[in-house]
Amino acid sequence: NAGVMQNPRHLVRRRGQEARLRCSPMKGHSHVYWYRQLPEEGLKFMVYLQKENIIDESGMPKERFSAEFPKEGPSILRIQQVVRGDSAAYFCASSPTYRDTEAFFGQGTRLTVV
Amino acid sequence: AQKVTQAQTEISVVEKEDVTLDCVYETRDTTYYLFWYKQPPSGELVFLIRRNSFDEQNEISGRYSWNFQKSTSSFNFTITASQVVDSAVYFCALLNSGGYNKLIFGAGTRLAVHP
Repeated sequence: NAGVMQNPRHLVRRRGQEARLRCSPMKGHSHVYWYRQLPEEGLKFMVYLQKENIIDESGMPKERFSAEFPKEGPSILRIQQVVRGDSAAYFCASSPTYRDTEAFFGQGTRLTVV
Repeated sequence: AQKVTQAQTEISVVEKEDVTLDCVYETRDTTYYLFWYKQPPSGELVFLIRRNSFDEQNEISGRYSWNFQKSTSSFNFTITASQVVDSAVYFCALLNSGGYNKLIFGAGTRLAVHP
């Protein structure tokens, strides 16, 4: 049973470009969470999605960031018109149900904006 | 307010020393969970332990031990006889029960173990 898969592991974008980060949850998991880790900081919750629904996006920046988790395929975190401040590690976690107290983390995507 | 404080930003020890990483949390909930994660230089998050608020027994796993004290809202982590491979950033995290899996992380403690 493969773990949470994130790709790419490393992503370099120029300022103004778009970044797409993908997260495939563990098999049987329909709940996905995205976290952001800015340099030298802890992880901060961004968004919680179930299949086809955004449940809580309280941690998402108001502009340029969006997330989806379609019926088929991975969850996508999309950052439009990236800026240097978006450089961070983005982690995805998944859980089988909404009440599970353990979420399984992927290895993260390190985004560098140049 | 819910908050996790890891006051030690960096700790440096020599191999075989014991080291304790502090974690203090704030929550109004009576049911909650506490976690420790390790982030080695390679960057991934490694799950170490999860404790619920009703279980105050200390836990030992090999060289690792955890001391949970509700009276002081602390969940400290001790590594006995540290090794170079323990060098990493360690995060403490809080999850309030009754909702979904929205972890609140501390800022982390960077541990450097020198030979």
